Order: sequence, then C-alpha cells, then structure tokens
Amino acid sequence: EAGVTQFPSHSVIEKGQTVTLRCDPISGHDNLYWYRRVMGKEIKFLLHFVKESKQDESGMPNNRFLAERTGGTYSTLKVQPAELEDSGVYFCASSRTSGGFHGELFFGEGSRLTVL
Amino acid sequence: AQSVTQLGSHVSVSEGALVLLRCNYSSSVPPYLFWYVQYPNQGLQLLLKYTSAATLVKGINGFEAEFKKSETSFHLTKPSAHMSDAAEYFCAVSERGYQKVTFGIGTKLQVIP
Repeated sequence: EAGVTQFPSHSVIEKGQTVTLRCDPISGHDNLYWYRRVMGKEIKFLLHFVKESKQDESGMPNNRFLAERTGGTYSTLKVQPAELEDSGVYFCASSRTSGGFHGELFFGEGSRLTVL
Repeated sequence: AQSVTQLGSHVSVSEGALVLLRCNYSSSVPPYLFWYVQYPNQGLQLLLKYTSAATLVKGINGFEAEFKKSETSFHLTKPSAHMSDAAEYFCAVSERGYQKVTFGIGTKLQVIP
C-alpha cells in the first residue's frame, strides 16, 4: 500500500510568487488534512477535507491560501502571493473513516517551502 | 479548545538510560491522546494512542505512556534508550468524535553513545 505522497519536497520562491503543493493520500482514505510547521513552532492544523468537501478550514491563515480536492482524491494547496511568513514545512495527512476516528493520521514527508 | 504542552524542546539521554518525555494536555471533554514520532527526512508516524481503555498504553519500539487524568498528563517513557530512538516526538490531542488533532511543539531526543 502506497503511503501519503507530497510534491514538491522542497520549493524556493520569491516573495509575491505563487506555489502549489500537491498531496496524494492513501487510496481509500476519505479524510485529508493539511498541517503546517513554521520553524521552531508547533505543527498547526490548516484544514480538513472529507472526500471533496471542506469539513473544517478554521486553520487557514488568510485568503492567500486556497486548498482544493477535486474528485475527492488528491489535494492541492496554493499560496498566492507568497509572503515571507509562509515559509515552513507543509504536511499532508490522511485517515480512514470506517470504524470511527481514533486519531491515526498517516503523514507524508512534507513539502518545505522557503520564501525569499 | 484543546492544547498540549511539551516540556523540553530538547532532551538528551545516554544509550541505555531511561527516556522520559513530558506532555500535559488541556481539553474540555475526555480526550484522545497520541504520541507521534518523526525520524529524520520522514513523515510523522503514530507511536501510540490512548482512546479510553487501559490508562497505560504500549506502543511500538518499546515505548509506553500513561494517561493520568488527575495530572492531565500523558508522559512518554522507554526503559532503555537506543541510538535508533533519536528523533523528534510530538504529543497530540483530539476530542472524541472530532477529527481535528492538535499537536505540541515537539521534543527532539538525542541519544548519546
């Protein structure tokens, strides 16, 4: 079974540019999450999809961030325009729905974003 | 609102010594509690979880944690550290029936030969 995959692993962009991060969850996982870790800080929740619907987007920092999950499969997180404070590691995770949620999130390796 | 506090962002232990990583939580309802581990250049993986059964939870690689409601704690322990335990450990909490998981700041464990 393939794990959660994220692309790119590292992206370096200039302030004001656009970046799109992609996440492919584990096949069959309806739940998909985006988290972000700014250096030295905790891993912060950004949003949660159930299939293609946004279940909770309370952690999205502002309207420069747009997440989509068309067709309920892979997801993209676009930052436009990027600011310096957007630098960090963006983690994607997925989880099953059947059997109830008991907290096991399956994480990708993360996409490191550096904004110069 | 739920939160976790991890005491000590860096912990160093000698190989063979006891590992103790501290975590205190705050939750308005009975929580689910977790420890995740991140090895270098890898994603986070679940080490163990408390969901309501036994208060002493055993996880992978010889780790265990004890849920203490009176102390609102969920400390992670391992009797004897191994070099391969060097990693970053995250305590996390979620409310039952709600799929949002809140993480602590993480504790980097260094194992000294």
